[in-house]
Amino acid sequence: GAVVSQHPSWVICKSGTSVKIECRSLDFQATTMFWYRQFPKQSLMLMATSNEGSKATYEQGVEKDKFLINHASLTLSTLTVTSAHPEDSSFYICSAVPGFEITDTQYFGPGTRLTVL
Amino acid sequence: AQSVAQPEDQVNVAEGNPLTVKCTYSVSGNPYLFWYVQYPNRGLQFLLKYITGDNLVKGSYGFEAEFNKSQTSFHLKKPSALVSDSALYFCAVRQTGNRDDKIIFGKGTRLHILP
Repeated sequence: GAVVSQHPSWVICKSGTSVKIECRSLDFQATTMFWYRQFPKQSLMLMATSNEGSKATYEQGVEKDKFLINHASLTLSTLTVTSAHPEDSSFYICSAVPGFEITDTQYFGPGTRLTVL
Repeated sequence: AQSVAQPEDQVNVAEGNPLTVKCTYSVSGNPYLFWYVQYPNRGLQFLLKYITGDNLVKGSYGFEAEFNKSQTSFHLKKPSALVSDSALYFCAVRQTGNRDDKIIFGKGTRLHILP
């Protein structure tokens, strides 16, 4: 149990276009999901905390108008990179916290590699 | 604000030898500590956590970690390394007991197990 999926697993897009990445909790409901980005050989940088039914909380320095997060249901959060540029190329990872279980563990998705040409 | 440090970028260990991956933390109050492992182009997999109780925590794949409050450390250990343990390991800390609170990750330590 506790599987988190991401779609797509990789995407290549042209500069100026928008890209949507989906994060789904497959067998549990998640009231909270987190979005991270990871540069090559570097750690995970928390971008935002996504709560179902409310606005996401962005970390300092993360542009909320560029990285749109929507947590529309208890099993789905989406990250849209708007007007993508080459510097947005990165590995994006989401994680989910089960909403109704006694657990302290975040479950991570497999990641989405975004390449902007 | 909480932070976590992994002083080694890379650790090399011969197969069969014990391994240690170091982690120190800084947090006000009681720490909630985690270890995750990442294989190439994959998300993170949970290994173990310390919330309270025994200082020695046992986790997945034979790994364990020892919480040392006086040294503010949470080193990851395994008695006998396997080649398949080669991966990127992240230590992480959460400042509160609220599971919806954010987790801060260290920069990661790449573990190479030499056959």
